Amino acid sequence: QVTLKESGPVLVKPTETLTLTCTVSGFSLSNVRMGVSWIRQPPGKALEWLAHIFSNDEKSYSTSLESRLDISKDTSKSQVFLTMTNMDPADTATYYCARIFVSYCSIGNCYSADHWGQGALVSVSS
Amino acid sequence: DIQMTQSPASLSASVGDRVTITCQASQDISRYLNWYQQRPGKAPKLLIYDASILETGVPSRFSGSGSGTDFTLTISSLQPEDFATYYCQQYDHLQGTFGGGTKVDIK
Repeated sequence: QVTLKESGPVLVKPTETLTLTCTVSGFSLSNVRMGVSWIRQPPGKALEWLAHIFSNDEKSYSTSLESRLDISKDTSKSQVFLTMTNMDPADTATYYCARIFVSYCSIGNCYSADHWGQGALVSVSS
Repeated sequence: DIQMTQSPASLSASVGDRVTITCQASQDISRYLNWYQQRPGKAPKLLIYDASILETGVPSRFSGSGSGTDFTLTISSLQPEDFATYYCQQYDHLQGTFGGGTKVDIK
C-alpha cells in the first residue's frame, strides 16, 4: 500500500524558512519510474505545483518560486524534503506531497500524481 | 511558462446530467494532460492521465479527450459523489502546472 505523509511546523513567522518532510511507504525513492512532487493550496484557492524530484536526483521547480525553493531526498529513510525561504503570509496553504508515476503513454513517458498525502496546513503569521 | 485555463470556474448540475469541463493550454502540450477530482477537505485524486486514460478504479462515466492545446473532461451521468472541484494539470518532465479548477455543485 502506497502512503505519503507530510510533516513540519504548523506555524512559521514571516521571513523564516519552512522545512517540510514527506515520508513515503509502499514504494522506493530509488525506483526509476517514480518521483515525488510538492503541491500547495491556499485556503479556498487552486492547487499550485511547486517542485519535483526523481530517483536520479533530477529536480525541477516552479518558475515563480524557484529562487526560494529547494527539494532533496534521503532515499535510505524514504523521505523527501522541501525548504522554502523567506516565508510570507501569502504562503499560508495546505502543502501536499504526491507520488509521481512515470507511465508509458501514447507520447512516450508521461507524468501524473497518482498518490497523495493528506496535506499539512502551514500558517505564516507573526 | 505554460498557463492552463479551465472553464467554467463553476457550474451547477443535477444528478444524471452530462457535464463537460474544458481546459486550454497556452501552448501545445501534446497529450501531457491529467485530470484530478478534489472533494472538500480531501487531497486530490487522479482521474485521467495521458489526456484520456482512465486511472485504475475510476468509474467509466468519466472520460477525457483532446490534444495540443484543448482538452475536455466529461462526466456522462453525474452522481452524488461527483460533486467536487476538478483540476486539469499539464505535466511534462519539467513542470506540472494546474488549471484554476472547476467547482461542480448541486443545482
